[in-house]
Amino acid sequence: GAGVSQTPSNKVTEKGKYVELRCDPISGHTALYWYRQSLGQGPEFLIYFQGTGAADDSGLPNDRFFAVRPEGSVSTLKIQRTERGDSAVYLCASSLIGPNSPLHFGNGTRLTVT
Amino acid sequence: GQQLNQSPQSMFIQEGEDVSMNCTSSSIFNTWLWYKQDPGEGPVLLIALYKAGELTSNGRLTAQFGITRKDSFLNISASIPSDVGIYFCAGYITGANSKLTFGKGITLSVRP
Repeated sequence: GAGVSQTPSNKVTEKGKYVELRCDPISGHTALYWYRQSLGQGPEFLIYFQGTGAADDSGLPNDRFFAVRPEGSVSTLKIQRTERGDSAVYLCASSLIGPNSPLHFGNGTRLTVT
Repeated sequence: GQQLNQSPQSMFIQEGEDVSMNCTSSSIFNTWLWYKQDPGEGPVLLIALYKAGELTSNGRLTAQFGITRKDSFLNISASIPSDVGIYFCAGYITGANSKLTFGKGITLSVRP
């Protein structure tokens, strides 16, 4: 299908390690979003890209989190010095033109920090 | 933190019954969305509402954007087993249009 693709689907890492999570949005969607979902909670906003630039990164919890979208398509969420509290499902979504168009979510990457 | 209130956390209904879910907030929203999430998958958009008072249907689903812009409800009629899942309300707060804010979700169980 042509939905939002996220890899890996599961990632287990040790505390203190660096991880990268990848998102491949729907072709032609200019807007891309990262959300984080903890158990029993709704998704929480992390960052929003319009094209190559981060239009709103106010949801990133601290400077260990960083995301890029160098060519305006695929995005990578990078987490340095992982902590156990970073364990969650990281969801990526894309939309055609921006927040006023519907968000289409991927199936997420389940990150477990041991 | 979360600014959308959904309760109860879980609902149990019999197949064929109708069910209604509410979502409330102390903030004014300019868009309301209802999503369904199945285990191991991302949320899937069910209905989008863009105007206060708007009533929209999608098959057996009906949702309304509250006139005060601080609430919304979702009705599911004649429930079937595949309606099982977590239902999230979400919306854009006026002035914070990049961030789609989600409620905590309601887990719906349907007894055959």
